[in-house]
Amino acid sequence: RKEVEQDPGPFNVPEGATVAFNCTYSNSASQSFFWYRQDCRKEPKLLMSVYSSGNEDGRFTAQLNRASQYISLLIRDSKLSDSATYLCVVNPLLFSSGSARQLTFGSGTQLTVLP
Amino acid sequence: DAGVTQSPTHLIKTRGQQVTLRCSPISGHKSVSWYQQVLGQGPQFIFQYYEKEERGRGNFPDRFSARQFPNYSSELNVNALLLGDSALYLCASSGLLNLGGNTIYFGEGSWLTVV
Repeated sequence: RKEVEQDPGPFNVPEGATVAFNCTYSNSASQSFFWYRQDCRKEPKLLMSVYSSGNEDGRFTAQLNRASQYISLLIRDSKLSDSATYLCVVNPLLFSSGSARQLTFGSGTQLTVLP
Repeated sequence: DAGVTQSPTHLIKTRGQQVTLRCSPISGHKSVSWYQQVLGQGPQFIFQYYEKEERGRGNFPDRFSARQFPNYSSELNVNALLLGDSALYLCASSGLLNLGGNTIYFGEGSWLTVV
């Protein structure tokens, strides 16, 4: 079983649609969680961190359910520019740990927003 | 301010050769991590260096090695190249552990093709 599992998609949605991505992780000791965005042939870029209380950044909402080891990302009012691969990322270590920043990535979910 | 810089951006090697990839972190960042991203997959953690010491190693063979220099730049070496080593190699830089949060910045990567 992969440490971080995502539906690979592709998700093809019309502009203005709401789309949700899900992710599960296997390491119950995981401490920090993120969504990264990766454009074609570019480097991953942090989209948002994910907290148990849920967090929102404009059209993007992320949720974490530690009991179910489940992370979600909701994109409302999709734009053409949202087309990318969305990577679910887990770190087993606390931000303040004195050691490694070793991220475990899912394989990514590909989103295409259609005009 | 310069971001994470990697070189070379693209290279082609033949099986059995050796390759050295280079990374300069963001000024002031002391941690450098290396990731391998095979087409269609998420990045996989290879190494992390902090203050010139190896702080973590992923599940990669001994053909992969790295080091960090006094100026915090880093090199990733891969010996005896295999076709399966063809990938995007990403360098990630992060700051002091409790400063600037948990944001990790990726360079644009080095595209390695082994033929």
